[in-house]
Amino acid sequence: GENVEQHPSTLSVQEGDSAVIKCTYSDSASNYFPWYKQELGKGPQLIIDIRSNVGEKKDQRIAVTLNKTAKHFSLHITETQPEDSAVYFCGGIGGGADGLTFGKGTHLIIQP
Amino acid sequence: DVKVTQSSRYLVKRTGEKVFLECVQDMDHENMFWYRQDPGLGLRLIYFSYDVKMKEKGDIPEGYSVSREKKERFSLILESASTNQTSMYLCASSLLGLGMGETQYFGPGTRLLVL
Repeated sequence: GENVEQHPSTLSVQEGDSAVIKCTYSDSASNYFPWYKQELGKGPQLIIDIRSNVGEKKDQRIAVTLNKTAKHFSLHITETQPEDSAVYFCGGIGGGADGLTFGKGTHLIIQP
Repeated sequence: DVKVTQSSRYLVKRTGEKVFLECVQDMDHENMFWYRQDPGLGLRLIYFSYDVKMKEKGDIPEGYSVSREKKERFSLILESASTNQTSMYLCASSLLGLGMGETQYFGPGTRLLVL
């Protein structure tokens, strides 16, 4: 099955700076990579995703990049704001039908 | 608007009790999932279901069972609760296509404490 590793586990940035969270995956047949944001007391919510036929995708201040050769993908948040503080999870779906495998999460802290 | 609800936000049970966690989705989704979330371990899949009365084991099914008698409802059962099952339990659903990259919609979670 798929194995997804996520780094760092905690990331602290100044408000207005950029934040980057990285994930690597093991299954070269993986074709879908979502990012979820979990705010305190809530369930995770999808914020952006990318499929294996695309190298980059943007949605306002959020972007995801995918490097299939190196088997890694990253979440980029620009001009960070206090409401970006949350736990972020990356995911991957392998070649089988086992559902999503999630990374262990990154706690993003935006310092005022 | 997409909605996944879980029967309880907080639950306290004693070791050996039988525990039912209920999840309901109102989106007519085919797939439903149960995860547990623990600090430093992320989200781990317990069981999932791709149709009524169908179930598949996830990564950590031991000590759990599930039931899906109706499409909108997916129950997680702890036959005999143990302290190492103290955790946050998250239910999710997706429209269809396991392996096809469908968005999963999560409920708010149930924080279970087993004493």
